[in-house]
Amino acid sequence: GENVEQHPSTLSVQEGDSAVIKCTYSDSASNYFPWYKQELGKRPQLIIDIRSNVGEKKDQRIAVTLNKTAKHFSLHITETQPEDSAVYFCGPDNDMRFGAGTRLTVKP
Amino acid sequence: DAGITQSPRHKVTETGTPVTLRCHQTENHRYMYWYRQDPGHGLRLIHYSYGVKDTDKGEVSDGYSVSRSKTEDFLLTLESATSSQTSVYFCAISESSTSGSINEQFFGPGTRLTVL
Repeated sequence: GENVEQHPSTLSVQEGDSAVIKCTYSDSASNYFPWYKQELGKRPQLIIDIRSNVGEKKDQRIAVTLNKTAKHFSLHITETQPEDSAVYFCGPDNDMRFGAGTRLTVKP
Repeated sequence: DAGITQSPRHKVTETGTPVTLRCHQTENHRYMYWYRQDPGHGLRLIHYSYGVKDTDKGEVSDGYSVSRSKTEDFLLTLESATSSQTSVYFCAISESSTSGSINEQFFGPGTRLTVL
């Protein structure tokens, strides 16, 4: 069936380094590609999204890139800070499926 | 945070008892969703609604039912709770985009349910 795969499941970086999380989807009809951030004990919140008519979108230190041919999109965080530590989810796709999440830890 | 609340925020119940969780929004958004969140599984859709009295099943709907009699309220019912339904439940809302595709979802604060 349709699914959304997210990698890696955990990621640990040093403060100031970059982090990249990749999401692969199977539904070729998908045209909306969001990333959500969930801090410990909090609700998920949208941090950036992109629609299929563009290949990249940037908002300060975060960016999302889309490769529709290969059916994947990625979250890029530059100059990471300890407050970036959280779980990040890609999705949902048209079937409301999210990725399983990536736990990012930024070490000071 | 968008105007979305969930009640109760915490509940402990026993196996076999019925449980109803409530999601309330003040945004007049068309779509409402119920997800459960478990370690290693991320967010999984239970049921969703695309209008008053219009609902559909999600990925993990077995053992759950929903109702939406008003735009602002979406109820999730566990008819006979089981230990496997111990989870954190999130409600979410969204409005459709002009193209009809899905759009940003706004999540409620979550309900932590423990079934003993």
